[in-house]
Amino acid sequence: AQSVSQHNHHVILSEAASLELGCNYSYGGTVNLFWYVQYPGQHLQLLLKYFSGDPLVKGIKGFEAEFIKSKFSFNLRKPSVQWSDTAEYFCAVNPDSWGKLQFGAGTQVVVTP
Amino acid sequence: NAGVTQTPKFQVLKTGQSMTLQCAQDMNHEYMSWYRQDPGMGLRLIHYSVGAGITDQGEVPNGYNVSRSTTEDFPLRLLSAAPSQTSVYFCASKTTSTTYEQYFGPGTRLTVT
Repeated sequence: AQSVSQHNHHVILSEAASLELGCNYSYGGTVNLFWYVQYPGQHLQLLLKYFSGDPLVKGIKGFEAEFIKSKFSFNLRKPSVQWSDTAEYFCAVNPDSWGKLQFGAGTQVVVTP
Repeated sequence: NAGVTQTPKFQVLKTGQSMTLQCAQDMNHEYMSWYRQDPGMGLRLIHYSVGAGITDQGEVPNGYNVSRSTTEDFPLRLLSAAPSQTSVYFCASKTTSTTYEQYFGPGTRLTVT
């Protein structure tokens, strides 16, 4: 079955550490890729998106992601995290021309002071 | 713009009761959708609509009905609530352009006892 996989369900790291969250998908053909973030008690917000062009995309709050087509991956990175980055992060794929999104299970990130 | 609004924010139902979760958007978006969020499962698509009068099923449609009589509103009806429908429900909207992301509402936390 077509799916979106996030490698880690729970990540704990200290402030100033680097963060990388893995995301792999199993859809063939052209896909649109997204990373959403959900801060505690809040709704989903878009961090960044990839539709085409430069496979290295930059988003808000210092996040970036790299699309590697050959690996069906779209990993999220941030060089130096802050306590305020504590949140749940979701990778999502839009495999068709409409808006249906297939989400990964999410990664809970906890940044300790 | 208010964006995507959802009511109520919290709801407790008894098994067998019915209710309607409201969703409205003021961005003139053609596409609207409902997701449910469960721990460890990410968000799963329940139903979606590509315009007034047009709806279709998503990944987990059983037990839910939708209708789209106007562009702005997309209510989700639970016909006979079951404990398995305890979840957080998010409504989202976007334009039909493939290069635009979805905007999510604040969510409705539903508990079925």
